Parts: sequence; C-alpha cells; structure tokens
Amino acid sequence: RKEVEQDPGPFNVPEGATVAFNCTYSNSASQSFFWYRQDCRKEPKLLMSVYSSGNEDGRFTAQLNRASQYISLLIRDSKLSDSATYLCSFNNNAGNMLTFGGGTRLMVKP
Amino acid sequence: ETGVTQTPRHLVMGMTNKKSLKCEQHLGHNAMYWYKQSAKKPLELMFVYSLEERVENNSVPSRFSPECPNSSHLFLHLHTLQPEDSALYLCASSQAASGTLSAQYFGPGTRLTVL
Repeated sequence: RKEVEQDPGPFNVPEGATVAFNCTYSNSASQSFFWYRQDCRKEPKLLMSVYSSGNEDGRFTAQLNRASQYISLLIRDSKLSDSATYLCSFNNNAGNMLTFGGGTRLMVKP
Repeated sequence: ETGVTQTPRHLVMGMTNKKSLKCEQHLGHNAMYWYKQSAKKPLELMFVYSLEERVENNSVPSRFSPECPNSSHLFLHLHTLQPEDSALYLCASSQAASGTLSAQYFGPGTRLTVL
C-alpha cells in the first residue's frame, strides 16, 4: 500500500453542493491527522485537525476511519471561495514526521 | 499573517550563483522544516531541525545546505543549482513534543527559478 493516496481530482461541483474527499494512509500506528488547504501558488494552510471521534468546524467535517485507514473531509454548502487543493497529512511510516498527500483539487462553479 | 515569514519571495539565479533563503518563525515553535514543491508534485521534505539539531536529511543533494542558528531562524544555502531545482521552497515550523506530532505552519514560500 502506498504511504498516502489522494484522488487528485479535480472535483467540479456547483455552489451549494456537498462534496467529500478521502485520503488513505498506510501507517496503522498514525496518531496525528490534519487537513490543509492550498490555494494556487500559495502555501498550505492548516484547515483542521482530525480527531478520533470526528470533528466539525462550520461547514467542514473531518472524520477518521481507523479500520479502513482513511480520513475524510466533507464540505457542505460549497462556496466559490472553497476552490483550492486540499492536502491530507499524518505520521509517516516511521512515525516521526508528518507526510503530505499530493492533494485533491476542488473547483466550485457558480 | 506573519507567523512564519520567508525571504526572498521570488528568486532567479544562474547555475553558478550562490544565494540563501531565509525563514523566521514567530510562533515559539522548536522545530523547523524545509520542503520543496515542484509543479503538480507532492510536498517533498528536505530537512528537519528540532531544538536546533538536524534530525532529518532526506537524501538532498549537497548543493542545498541548511543552517539553523536558533529555534526561530532557518536558512537554506544554495550553490551550483540545476534548472530542475526550480520550485517553490517552503519553510514550516511546529511544536515538537514527545509522543505526538503537532500541525506544521508554513511560510509563504520562495519561488525559485534556476536559469
């Protein structure tokens, strides 16, 4: 299994839609999980941490599925400004560093 | 946002030049990182400093030389680069703690072009 797998997209959705992305990881011992947002030609910015019980921040919901080894990000009521690339991050296989996925590109259309 | 700053923001250099990238973090963190991000590729971890000691050197060519004089400052010295080294170079910082990995916060990056 690859260390991390993310569908690169793009996911093209209309404004107001609900969209979800997954990110699978290979290190079953991973304990730290994050979602980042990266706009074109900008740096990644922390969107939210992912907690074992799942967590919500406004229109964004993050969940962890340890059995299947993936995290998910759900965006409700998509806005044009949500258009960006979403990167997942978690402990690498050695456990001592964060590794980043290649990102899933989201394009929200009017 | 000024948590992590990087200079210069853009750099064009020839293959024989020597230049340095600078990163400064104002978040009180004790770990700093250099990443390379090429077009349409994932982030590539280059170097990690924790408590001012280099703890990771991810098979990076010797033409890249990091320096961490204190926990707030990180440099990347560049010499005799190749055109394929053109990329966005990102600095990040985090608070390293025993047994957990905290989120990393990134600077705006230096967009490097090697001619």
